[in-house]
Amino acid sequence: RKEVEQDPGPFNVPEGATVAFNCTYSNSASQSFFWYRQDCRKEPKLLMSVYSSGNEDGRFTAQLNRASQYISLLIRDSKLSDSATYLCVVNTGGFKTIFGAGTRLFVKA
Amino acid sequence: EAQVTQNPRYLITVTGKKLTVTCSQNMNHEYMSWYRQDPGLGLRQIYYSMNVEVTDKGDVPEGYKVSRKEKRNFPLILESPSPNQTSLYFCASSGKGLAGVSEQYFGPGTRLTVT
Repeated sequence: RKEVEQDPGPFNVPEGATVAFNCTYSNSASQSFFWYRQDCRKEPKLLMSVYSSGNEDGRFTAQLNRASQYISLLIRDSKLSDSATYLCVVNTGGFKTIFGAGTRLFVKA
Repeated sequence: EAQVTQNPRYLITVTGKKLTVTCSQNMNHEYMSWYRQDPGLGLRQIYYSMNVEVTDKGDVPEGYKVSRKEKRNFPLILESPSPNQTSLYFCASSGKGLAGVSEQYFGPGTRLTVT
């Protein structure tokens, strides 16, 4: 079993749709969690950190469920520019970092 | 401008010919890391460094070496490259967060082909 698992997609949604991604992790001692965005052949960039209390940044909402060991990302009112690969990232204590394989999103007009 | 730079951006080499990919950051970050990205596998951590002269293995360290003699630089060395090391490589740096690593800043990537 992979340490961090994501549905690879692709998710194909129309503009304006709401889409949700989930990510599960296996190490219960994991301490910090993030969502990164990666455009084709470019470097990943931080989308948002994920906190136990949940956090929101404009159209994006991230949630952490430690009991079930998953994190989620909700995108509301999807834009064409949201088309990208979304990477779930887990720090398993200290500085070791595990990336999920990514979920591809295509938003179409 | 705060950034992570990598060189070269593209490299084609032959099996067994030693090479070094450089990485430098100007944000005074303690933490630096190397990843490789392969289709369907996502980013996998090769090595990371918590500070000068402190390095540790990630998930796929075989065939790679690193050094951290200065805070800003973290070169990746392939002593004897093989075709299975053909990949897209990213260097990243980060400050310390409350629980380990905070936001990581990535370099633009190095596309390596070993024939």
